[in-house]
Amino acid sequence: GAVVSQHPSRVICKSGTSVKIECRSLDFQATTMFWYRQFPKQSLMLMATSNEGSKATYEQGVEKDKFLINHASLTLSTLTVTSAHPEDSSFYICSASPGQGSKLFFGSGTQLSVL
Amino acid sequence: SQKIEQNSEALNIQEGKTATLTCNYTNYSPAYLQWYRQDPGRGPVFLLLIRENEKEKRKERLKVTFDTTLKQSLFHITASQPADSATYLCALDPYGGATNKLIFGTGTLLAVQP
Repeated sequence: GAVVSQHPSRVICKSGTSVKIECRSLDFQATTMFWYRQFPKQSLMLMATSNEGSKATYEQGVEKDKFLINHASLTLSTLTVTSAHPEDSSFYICSASPGQGSKLFFGSGTQLSVL
Repeated sequence: SQKIEQNSEALNIQEGKTATLTCNYTNYSPAYLQWYRQDPGRGPVFLLLIRENEKEKRKERLKVTFDTTLKQSLFHITASQPADSATYLCALDPYGGATNKLIFGTGTLLAVQP
């Protein structure tokens, strides 16, 4: 089946630094990928839709300058958390699908801890 | 407002019994609804997709129903096993199936006791 790879799985950084998370579709091309955020014991909250070759679309309340998304190829999307603060600590998960209107394949997630 | 709600935060059942999880939505008209399993510290894994014109779908010990009148989906695990313990999430496309953009429910943590 389709595989989505996400790196790193865990990152600890100091407040004020930027962190980049990569999401790759390994055996299919994805013109769109999705980034979610999950707090402990809560459900996934959609942050943004990453569009290959164009700007990402962000959900209401998500700061685009805070969470920079780049989708430079059909198999790679990156999420950069800029000037991270402790409140940005969370579990970030990416997803993609090989076809429209079908199931999503998720990465294994990145646990971000900002000190 | 638009909402997707799942029954109770946690569900505890005995091994061998049938687990029934509920997903209710308001102010959406989804073309399909999906169910995922999520283990701690991992991304969700797809289980089943049911379309609006399907009443029921089965896969091994799993069964999903979809009632567009009640705006509800039920997810059943028969002959439950401790390995079924996980969080189960329902999800739908708010654009009626036109995109792969999924909105997730609140999730139900299932614990199957041996």
